[in-house]
Amino acid sequence: GAVVSQHPSRVICKSGTSVKIECRSLDFQATTMFWYRQFPKQSLMLMATSNEGSKATYEQGVEKDKFLINHASLTLSTLTVTSAHPEDSSFYICSARGGGAQETQYFGPGTRLLVL
Amino acid sequence: AQSVSQHNHHVILSEAASLELGCNYSYGGTVNLFWYVQYPGQHLQLLLKYFSGDPLVKGIKGFEAEFIKSKFSFNLRKPSVQWSDTAEYFCAVNAWNTDKLIFGTGTRLQVFP
Repeated sequence: GAVVSQHPSRVICKSGTSVKIECRSLDFQATTMFWYRQFPKQSLMLMATSNEGSKATYEQGVEKDKFLINHASLTLSTLTVTSAHPEDSSFYICSARGGGAQETQYFGPGTRLLVL
Repeated sequence: AQSVSQHNHHVILSEAASLELGCNYSYGGTVNLFWYVQYPGQHLQLLLKYFSGDPLVKGIKGFEAEFIKSKFSFNLRKPSVQWSDTAEYFCAVNAWNTDKLIFGTGTRLQVFP
């Protein structure tokens, strides 16, 4: 099946710094990538949808200036958490899809972010 | 707004027991339905999906789910669970031909030998 990787798997940073998380589709071209956030014992919440070469579409309540998303190629999307604060600590998961809305999303293993 | 409810938060079973995990959604239009599984330390994997056609969908590892439109339900079943089925199970929905997947809160399944 299709493989999606994320890097890093875990990151600890100081409050006020920025953190970049990479999401790669390893064996297929991802026209659309999604970024989710998962709080402990809660569901995955979609943060934004990005199409290659276009600006990301953010869900209501997600600050686009804080969570910068870049989808510069068909195999790579990045999420940058700018000026991170402790409340940004969470599990961030990306997914990638090769075709239209009827196609399956393949998920990455997630990135655990801890902001001190 | 769309929402997905998984009523069983934690299910504990012995091997060979039958499994049914509930999933209900709220949306009046056509939907696509999914069950994902997350094994300990691993990423989310697709178990099965329903887009159209036969409402009884068969997935990997012996799992199946039935879409009952009148009940807005998409329950997951397996006749005989194994210890290796221990995992977190997520039901998800998206409105037909849209991108946004709405996830349920997940059900943690523990299977004891």
